[in-house]
Amino acid sequence: DAKTTQPPSMDCAEGRAANLPCNHSTISGNEYVYWYRQIHSQGPQYIIHGLKNNETNEMASLIITEDRKSSTLILPHATLRDTAVYYCIVRVWSAGKSTFGDGTTLTVKP
Amino acid sequence: GAGVSQTPSNKVTEKGKYVELRCDPISGHTALYWYRQSLGQGPEFLIYFQGTGAADDSGLPNDRFFAVRPEGSVSTLKIQRTERGDSAVYLCASSLTSGGDGYTFGSGTRLTVV
Repeated sequence: DAKTTQPPSMDCAEGRAANLPCNHSTISGNEYVYWYRQIHSQGPQYIIHGLKNNETNEMASLIITEDRKSSTLILPHATLRDTAVYYCIVRVWSAGKSTFGDGTTLTVKP
Repeated sequence: GAGVSQTPSNKVTEKGKYVELRCDPISGHTALYWYRQSLGQGPEFLIYFQGTGAADDSGLPNDRFFAVRPEGSVSTLKIQRTERGDSAVYLCASSLTSGGDGYTFGSGTRLTVV
């Protein structure tokens, strides 16, 4: 699986959009981008995934650059409950396992 | 069930003892994954099952670690001769298939070896 690079920490004001970047410059054509988050003392939670088109669901939006070398997870209106560690992962669809890095700790502040 | 269930939630054991950690995946999920997580780090892959068979066990650190899933649902992670370095949170996840579905994780078992 291609390696991902994320900033170790970010802050965001409550009610504002949180934009979490991920660099995956060595991504292959058949690798998808996945995002998970982990709230303290819980298991990680799946958020969203995409290949090359932008994706949106009830939790977030995923924007993937045209060259697919980076992506951004957007939480449109961050709340205090969005404070968590966010993991960006790339993996082949049929790979089975996912490789997690150390993620970005997002702190949403009132 | 509604989610992935892991038992026990906490386990304290003495160095050298044997432990078993149990995972009940979501009903109908064919793929099951074990990870372990040390403080301040991301989850580290251990093994994954597709049905009853271990499709990839490349993450098991050594032969003290073993996992089974005999009927394709419940899985047990077994650790022999535990060492203090085995202390971590052990996470289990399941997905509908081993394809591109997102995982559903359990809350983990916190293992402490004293």
